[in-house]
Amino acid sequence: DTGVSQDPRHKITKRGQNVTFRCDPISEHNRLYWYRQTLGQGPEFLTYFQNEAQLEKSRLLSDRFSAERPKGSFSTLEIQRTEQGDSAMYLCASSQEVANTGELFFGEGSRLTVL
Amino acid sequence: AQTVTQSQPEMSVQEAETVTLSCTYDTSESNYYLFWYKQPPSRQMILVIRQEAYKQQNATENRFSVNFQKAAKSFSLKISDSQLGDTAMYFCAIITGNQFYFGTGTSLTVIP
Repeated sequence: DTGVSQDPRHKITKRGQNVTFRCDPISEHNRLYWYRQTLGQGPEFLTYFQNEAQLEKSRLLSDRFSAERPKGSFSTLEIQRTEQGDSAMYLCASSQEVANTGELFFGEGSRLTVL
Repeated sequence: AQTVTQSQPEMSVQEAETVTLSCTYDTSESNYYLFWYKQPPSRQMILVIRQEAYKQQNATENRFSVNFQKAAKSFSLKISDSQLGDTAMYFCAIITGNQFYFGTGTSLTVIP
């Protein structure tokens, strides 16, 4: 399977714990995005990487959130001291740099439930 | 800031019929692209159709077509000959710069 893969698919954690999600984009894609999606809403932009550089971060990304893409390949999204409001689907997407016309290829998402 | 509005939270259509999903957007950019994405239940989002803002001709992809009204900032999706596999959430999106902005989605159910 050469699509975008995310791990884990589901995570249940207690409030205050740290969680980490991993995203493996399509190999030739140099752009990688993280989005958050809650029930009844569209995806909300969190952050964006071009190769290993994190170029944009949303104001939604509090200091408890950190994302990395150390070698320009896979990416991790860590949430520290989770809160119930962090419960959501975390989507990863990748694309090629084609003058911003390229479509996004999404993974199936990592669903986080904070108890 | 960019905004995307989908005013129809839920819609249904009989199999083989035609349905139109509405989307309006707001942007101050002159160069942008518009997309419709489909999210089937428990599956990843996939691109349905794309429209370049500077092109007046409406995009079509098989049974899917758009009605792009740039002055009105409207970008509706028409699905012809609806099939059961079209049941999904549909999201309208705009890209300006490096960010995609999505609407809240329309849940479409195709009734056999």
